[in-house]
Amino acid sequence: GENVEQHPSTLSVQEGDSAVIKCTYSDSASNYFPWYKQELGKRPQLIIDIRSNVGEKKDQRIAVTLNKTAKHFSLHITETQPEDSAVYFCAASLNTGGFKTIFGAGTRLFVKA
Amino acid sequence: GEEVAQTPKHLVRGEGQKAKLYCAPIKGHSYVFWYQQVLKNEFKFLISFQNENVFDETGMPKERFSAKCLPNSPCSLEIQATKLEDSAVYFCASSQSGITGELFFGEGSRLTVL
Repeated sequence: GENVEQHPSTLSVQEGDSAVIKCTYSDSASNYFPWYKQELGKRPQLIIDIRSNVGEKKDQRIAVTLNKTAKHFSLHITETQPEDSAVYFCAASLNTGGFKTIFGAGTRLFVKA
Repeated sequence: GEEVAQTPKHLVRGEGQKAKLYCAPIKGHSYVFWYQQVLKNEFKFLISFQNENVFDETGMPKERFSAKCLPNSPCSLEIQATKLEDSAVYFCASSQSGITGELFFGEGSRLTVL
């Protein structure tokens, strides 16, 4: 089945710096790659997503890139702010007769003021 | 409703007791998913539904876990004979589109097994 690896598990940056989180997936049939942000004690919320027919997508300070050949996708946050501190999850969705979204293990991002 | 509603928020059970969690998806969403999040944050997929039909149950420990989504009723996740390792936050999510759609999560139900 699908397996999603996410790195790093913890990331600490200075306010204003950039943060990059990387994920790899195993199943080439995966075709949808969302990123979720989960603040402490709260529900995960979608922040950006990318489909397999697109290589890059940007939304203000957040961008995601996808390399289908290498089965890599990455989240880039520029000009980080303290409120960006949270756990970020990458995920891959595939349909194998059923349907599931498989999540990476999460990256805890600390943005120091 | 506009949000996925999960009940109860907290549930404490003694080992071996039954636990039942409920989820009302967003109105109009056809897909419901259950995930288990343990202390290390990792989300484990349990089961998905398309309306009242099981769509994918490959994550379910079938011996003790069961789930249903019946018409005009909240979806449910039931754990028979709970074990200590079942302690986790159980998230329900719903989606309008099955494969390439955003998952809208509930606030989660924290199950503590003593």
